[in-house]
Amino acid sequence: DAKTTQPNSMESNEEEPVHLPCNHSTISGTDYIHWYRQLPSQGPEYVIHGLTSNVNNRMASLAIAEDRKSSTLILHRATLRDAAVYYCILTKSGSARQLTFGSGTQLTVLP
Amino acid sequence: NAGVTQTPKFQVLKTGQSMTLQCAQDMNHNSMYWYRQDPGMGLRLIYYSASEGTTDKGEVPNGYNVSRLNKREFSLRLESAAPSQTSVYFCAVLLPGLTVYSSYNEQFFGPGTRLTVL
Repeated sequence: DAKTTQPNSMESNEEEPVHLPCNHSTISGTDYIHWYRQLPSQGPEYVIHGLTSNVNNRMASLAIAEDRKSSTLILHRATLRDAAVYYCILTKSGSARQLTFGSGTQLTVLP
Repeated sequence: NAGVTQTPKFQVLKTGQSMTLQCAQDMNHNSMYWYRQDPGMGLRLIYYSASEGTTDKGEVPNGYNVSRLNKREFSLRLESAAPSQTSVYFCAVLLPGLTVYSSYNEQFFGPGTRLTVL
């Protein structure tokens, strides 16, 4: 299975944009890129997903490199509530059997 | 976490004791999952159920059994608890309209059960 690489931790100031990177150099053509986040003492929460094109929703934006070997989750204006562990996860097309979580990126938002 | 409830929230067991973790959803989803999360780690899939009456093993099924007797409930049983099973257990359901064969994967997670085995 294709693996993802994320920085262990990142810091951001409140109300500034945050760019969370993810490398997935062995991604296959039909793998979807998902992002989840986990707030302290809570279950993970779906953020966004994409295949080839950039995606926007109410929570965030997902920028996918043209060669699909990397992607970036963009939080446009970080709030204290966005402090969480962010997971970048690949899933195979036609298979929603499981999500394989790595160790993610711990985002700290400074007031 | 609206619509997915887990009981109990906390539990302490002694080695060798048994217990059942309960998960219930009121959103009429077909597919449900059980994950465990050890300290500082990501989640790992224990078992999943594509639909009522069916279950399949995930990445770490040893030491666990599951039961999906109806669409609403998916329970996880530890027959003889071991300290290595100390973890936080999360139940999840797959977004309506998706199946385990779908192309993308949006799951709703419950609040978790924190289990300690002494």
